[in-house]
Amino acid sequence: AQTVTQSQPEMSVQEAETVTLSCTYDTSENNYYLFWYKQPPSRQMILVIRQEAYKQQNATENRFSVNFQKAAKSFSLKISDSQLGDTAMYFCAFRAAWGGIQGAQKLVFGQGTRLTINP
Amino acid sequence: GAGVSQTPSNKVTEKGKYVELRCDPISGHTALYWYRQSLGQGPEFLIYFQGTGAADDSGLPNDRFFAVRPEGSVSTLKIQRTERGDSAVYLCASSLGPGGGETQYFGPGTRLLVL
Repeated sequence: AQTVTQSQPEMSVQEAETVTLSCTYDTSENNYYLFWYKQPPSRQMILVIRQEAYKQQNATENRFSVNFQKAAKSFSLKISDSQLGDTAMYFCAFRAAWGGIQGAQKLVFGQGTRLTINP
Repeated sequence: GAGVSQTPSNKVTEKGKYVELRCDPISGHTALYWYRQSLGQGPEFLIYFQGTGAADDSGLPNDRFFAVRPEGSVSTLKIQRTERGDSAVYLCASSLGPGGGETQYFGPGTRLLVL
């Protein structure tokens, strides 16, 4: 079974600073996908960024980028030029590429990191 | 276009009662998922539908929980004889297909409180 661990329950930075959220995972799969989701107080989970394990290049989406270290099973999220609207819970998630009919499609989430951006 | 919608937004019920939670996926999405999120935790998988059939229900905690998707679109999560431990946010997600790379789009969730 896969597990995802986020070791930082809470983080707080000043607006415009850069912040990095940590995530490690455990799996015996070779092909998989990793995701970072943002959950503001409205409860809506919003996809921030995704990474395919077979790609060596780290994914980037505007101010968001990841540092994917496959051998270390590490997948951190870097937010540059942080904004007040980035305040939210952030969840790291794992999904196997394919494992037959059962089991592959579900997302496995970490416990989350509560990020606060201060003015 | 319209995203995933869930009704009701909030539900308060008494211990022992029956509740139904509804999910309307994005139009054309064949895959639908239910997750449960307890306070301060990440979402946990409950059940996955591909079309009308439940392809994976390994996350349902016990036989009080049941879900259907009779026409391959709207899904209903049903909880019988509710217990206080069932209190959580129930999230629904849909994706275009079942592949591992398909993005799952989430609804706003239903917050269930069992008194």
